[in-house]
Amino acid sequence: GAVVSQHPSWVICKSGTSVKIECRSLDFQATTMFWYRQFPKQSLMLMATSNEGSKATYEQGVEKDKFLINHASLTLSTLTVTSAHPEDSSFYICSARRLAGLETQYFGPGTRLLVL
Amino acid sequence: AQSVTQPDIHITVSEGASLELRCNYSYGATPYLFWYVQSPGQGLQLLLKYFSGDTLVQGIKGFEAEFKRSQSSFNLRKPSVHWSDAAEYFCAVGASRGTSYGKLTFGQGTILTVHP
Repeated sequence: GAVVSQHPSWVICKSGTSVKIECRSLDFQATTMFWYRQFPKQSLMLMATSNEGSKATYEQGVEKDKFLINHASLTLSTLTVTSAHPEDSSFYICSARRLAGLETQYFGPGTRLLVL
Repeated sequence: AQSVTQPDIHITVSEGASLELRCNYSYGATPYLFWYVQSPGQGLQLLLKYFSGDTLVQGIKGFEAEFKRSQSSFNLRKPSVHWSDAAEYFCAVGASRGTSYGKLTFGQGTILTVHP
């Protein structure tokens, strides 16, 4: 149980285009989903917290107009990187927290984004 | 704000040897503590967690960790390492109260190399 998927697993795009990444909790309902960014050989940095049906809360320094987050249902959150630039290239990982139960976050496999 | 320090960036052990990965945290209240493992290009897998109760926590794959409040530590141990344990290990602290409730802060990670 507690499986989280991400799609796509990797994406290459041209500078200036937008990219959408999906995060799904496959076998449980997630009131909260989190989006992280991980640069090579570095730790995960929390970008934003997404609660179903409400606006996402962004961490300091994260541009909310650039990283659009939508959490339309209890099993799906999306991250859209708008007008992507090479510096946005990174490994994006989502996690989901159950509707009820302990406060464990279950992580997706990640999406590697390369902006040319 | 919470923080996590993993003092060892890279550890090398021989297969069959014992392992201890260090983790120190800073948090103003009783924290939620986690250890995750990440294989190359993959998301994070939860090894074990501490919320309350017994300070010695058993996890998957033969790992255990001990919460020591006096030392603000949550070190990960395994009595006999297998080659498949080679990966990167992240310690994380979760906020147990306040506006950051549930948010995870990760350490820098420790890369484990296992020699045959």
